[in-house]
Amino acid sequence: ETGVTQTPRHLVMGMTNKKSLKCEQHLGHNAMYWYKQSAKKPLELMFVYSLEERVENNSVPSRFSPECPNSSHLFLHLHTLQPEDSALYLCASSQDDTTVWVGYTFGSGTRLTVV
Amino acid sequence: GQNIDQPTEMTATEGAIVQINCTYQTSGFNGLFWYQQHAGEAPTFLSYNVLDGLEEKGRFSSFLSRSKGYSYLLLKELQMKDSASYLCAVTDSNYQLIWGAGTKLIIKP
Repeated sequence: ETGVTQTPRHLVMGMTNKKSLKCEQHLGHNAMYWYKQSAKKPLELMFVYSLEERVENNSVPSRFSPECPNSSHLFLHLHTLQPEDSALYLCASSQDDTTVWVGYTFGSGTRLTVV
Repeated sequence: GQNIDQPTEMTATEGAIVQINCTYQTSGFNGLFWYQQHAGEAPTFLSYNVLDGLEEKGRFSSFLSRSKGYSYLLLKELQMKDSASYLCAVTDSNYQLIWGAGTKLIIKP
């Protein structure tokens, strides 16, 4: 148990589907992150939320839509995805978005396959 | 641009020692992390270096040279469970984490 829980663990969706990824943390952290991890590539930061406000959006296509209803929950809404969006999507949390020396706590990820 | 380089894959023998190198070029520096990631699992924090020198934590040690833009992770007395990917990441001047692509370490009996 890592302290950050992601559901579902695996997701297969068609290009016309709409689905959502969920992330939950009860560590009392104030910052949450979405990352995309593709094989043999560095982790790509997608979104950062600090105290439920989005503070970073790294030029992510609009087919990815984040939502942070409270400091414990983070969602990534997906629609009309492309096959190249197939990857491992990782959620992470940290004490805040500048106190980085204590590191991030990651979830186990959602393995997304777009067909 | 900002860049982190680490070897794609390394192989070592159980009981031996292995050193995984990481070089970086970033806009500013606020620390370097090493994470371990087993296949299908969450990356987990191993170490954080912000000052030059060696930090030892059990079988794992991490070294940093800021002047050279260089770090290494040293794993001693290798065990089969150490087979994993090892991710190097640097915090830049904006406190953004810049990640390497990871080094897949294969341990053979």
